Amino acid sequence: ETGVTQSPTHLIKTRGQQVTLRCSSQSGHNTVSWYQQALGQGPQFIFQYYREEENGRGNFPPRFSGLQFPNYSSELNVNALELDDSALYLCASTSKKENSYEQYFGPGTRLTVT
Amino acid sequence: AQKVTQAQTEISVVEKEDVTLDCVYETRDTTYYLFWYKQPPSGELVFLIRRNSFDEQNEISGRYSWNFQKSTSSFNFTITASQVVDSAVYFCALSEGRRGSQGNLIFGKGTKLSVKP
Repeated sequence: ETGVTQSPTHLIKTRGQQVTLRCSSQSGHNTVSWYQQALGQGPQFIFQYYREEENGRGNFPPRFSGLQFPNYSSELNVNALELDDSALYLCASTSKKENSYEQYFGPGTRLTVT
Repeated sequence: AQKVTQAQTEISVVEKEDVTLDCVYETRDTTYYLFWYKQPPSGELVFLIRRNSFDEQNEISGRYSWNFQKSTSSFNFTITASQVVDSAVYFCALSEGRRGSQGNLIFGKGTKLSVKP
């Protein structure tokens, strides 16, 4: 049990539509990262938020955007959906453990774009 | 450029066999972190271990052990006496040093392990 939850579990959208995925983590987890995992591949970093500000971004176009809220929840928004956006989307919340930080992942949202 | 290579796409073993999952990484940073995650069919990534670049001590946790060798840029994972419950996809990952272990993770493509009874 990581304490990181995501909603919805599954989602089906049509090409061109917009989607919002949600992530909720535990109190005190100031950093949240989002990853995209295509079928049969490893997760790819989309972006990271720290204290409600974007704190790093991977090689994803601007139609991928995010928000982080004071209550440790976060959103990933994707506009103008494309078929290749079909993937498992994972959020990871960072927790301090001893003198380092660990990223704990939620169960993911599986997005299908038709 | 940073990169993680897991050359083994799929491995199949019979229960109680030992199995080693290979991980080779590339980075120009002198400080970096290496991770292993397990992804069962449910999809959630389960954290197994983190190792920083200054700590080359091997680690053992129950049936799991990790061998970190900077000389060969490898961070291999061994499961001793494998069990059916070990069946999953295992990912090796790397994060750059300047942001510590909070930094974005670079994952390999994963190794699918099937343990048959």
